[in-house]
Amino acid sequence: KQEVTQIPAALSVPEGENLVLNCSFTDSAIYNLQWFRQDPGKGLTSLLLIQSSQREQTSGRLNASLDKSSGRSTLYIAASQPGDSATYLCAVIRQAGTALIFGKGTTLSVSS
Amino acid sequence: GAVVSQHPSWVICKSGTSVKIECRSLDFQATTMFWYRQFPKQSLMLMATSNEGSKATYEQGVEKDKFLINHASLTLSTLTVTSAHPEDSSFYICSATQRQRTDTQYFGPGTRLTVL
Repeated sequence: KQEVTQIPAALSVPEGENLVLNCSFTDSAIYNLQWFRQDPGKGLTSLLLIQSSQREQTSGRLNASLDKSSGRSTLYIAASQPGDSATYLCAVIRQAGTALIFGKGTTLSVSS
Repeated sequence: GAVVSQHPSWVICKSGTSVKIECRSLDFQATTMFWYRQFPKQSLMLMATSNEGSKATYEQGVEKDKFLINHASLTLSTLTVTSAHPEDSSFYICSATQRQRTDTQYFGPGTRLTVL
């Protein structure tokens, strides 16, 4: 059974710092991996999607990497801002058309 | 494009009553819809998978008689929480996939259910 783990569970940093969020999954047979952002009491915002054949994806200050063989992904946030404060969720999908399996998330707090 | 809506965004009900949550794909046909539940400080957990015109497939531990799912059209799926109890209070989120692109799920904004 696929399990997704995110470390750390919570992270507090001052504004301007670069940071890395970690995600690991137990079964490397994934179709793709996705990072989401969730604000308190809100739904999900998709940040980056990495196909299983890809190594990384970038969007603005965000960079996500994928090492499928070792079951790891990282989300790198450059020059963090208070507006980045949210919970970041990592999720994998076994094959197209099936449900996502989520980690518990990392709650990020960026202080000004 | 690819917008999914949920209604209501929040609902408060008394214990023992039933609540219906709607999930709609606004600008595409959703061949498959997924229903997830998220308890405070927990991850999203899949409750059931719903394909248009067929019975939903429930995850282990989810009572199908309590959480009724209907996917009657390619743009609408409903989740009815029957005889709700306080422990059913949670954040319910649906997602949908398009017929032409099943590798991407589009999420609704979620419904906050509080059972008193």
